[in-house]
Amino acid sequence: EVQVVESGGGLVQPGGSLRLSCVASGFTFSDQYIDWVRQAPGKGLEWVGRSRNKAKSYTTDYAASVKGRFTISRDDLKNSVFLQMNSLKTEDTAIYYCAPLTAAVDTRGQGTLVTVSS
Amino acid sequence: QSVLTQPPSASGTPGQRVTISCSGSRSNIGNRDVYWYQQLPGTAPKLLIYKSNQRPSGVPDRFSGSRSGTSASLVISGLQSEDEADYYCAAWDDSLSGRVFGGGTRLTVL
Repeated sequence: EVQVVESGGGLVQPGGSLRLSCVASGFTFSDQYIDWVRQAPGKGLEWVGRSRNKAKSYTTDYAASVKGRFTISRDDLKNSVFLQMNSLKTEDTAIYYCAPLTAAVDTRGQGTLVTVSS
Repeated sequence: QSVLTQPPSASGTPGQRVTISCSGSRSNIGNRDVYWYQQLPGTAPKLLIYKSNQRPSGVPDRFSGSRSGTSASLVISGLQSEDEADYYCAAWDDSLSGRVFGGGTRLTVL
């Protein structure tokens, strides 16, 4: 059974930090590129960043809106990917989804809500 | 403003054929595959079409995708009430070195 579970969200003050986790099972995690995608309340989808696989040297890319503040890492032995978010702003408030880039199985998680507010 | 342009809304009656467009540029749709996602209220987006015209296993063949030049389309044939959802297109953008999404199209089944 395929499972993707995001966690680590919560309420944080502007300027604070948060680390999101995504743990997956039921497919070959290590082969996949993994995106983080977010959705602000009542808004559309926004790409946050990408972690590529070992074959692509685990390279990462980030949206301009988060570059320099967010960092993606992964641990293929634990089928996990992480999103370290620093210097958080109110506009980072959103549901964050971990999105493995495979069409072979349905890898939808439930997302984790990040609220940045004082 | 989204890099990819979609109509904000679309509608149709059950059984009808509906087309949702996605307009981009040479740096994204013009040179890259397009992906389509369906998002039902309160749920995570679901991959509907990948590599511009491929359907994941389990996606009904009522859904089809195409790409031409710097535009792409999602066609839903034989519209059903459960197709009422938000639809998003996405593609990699070589100029931005990042993935870009359309603003989303809310489909209403009348």
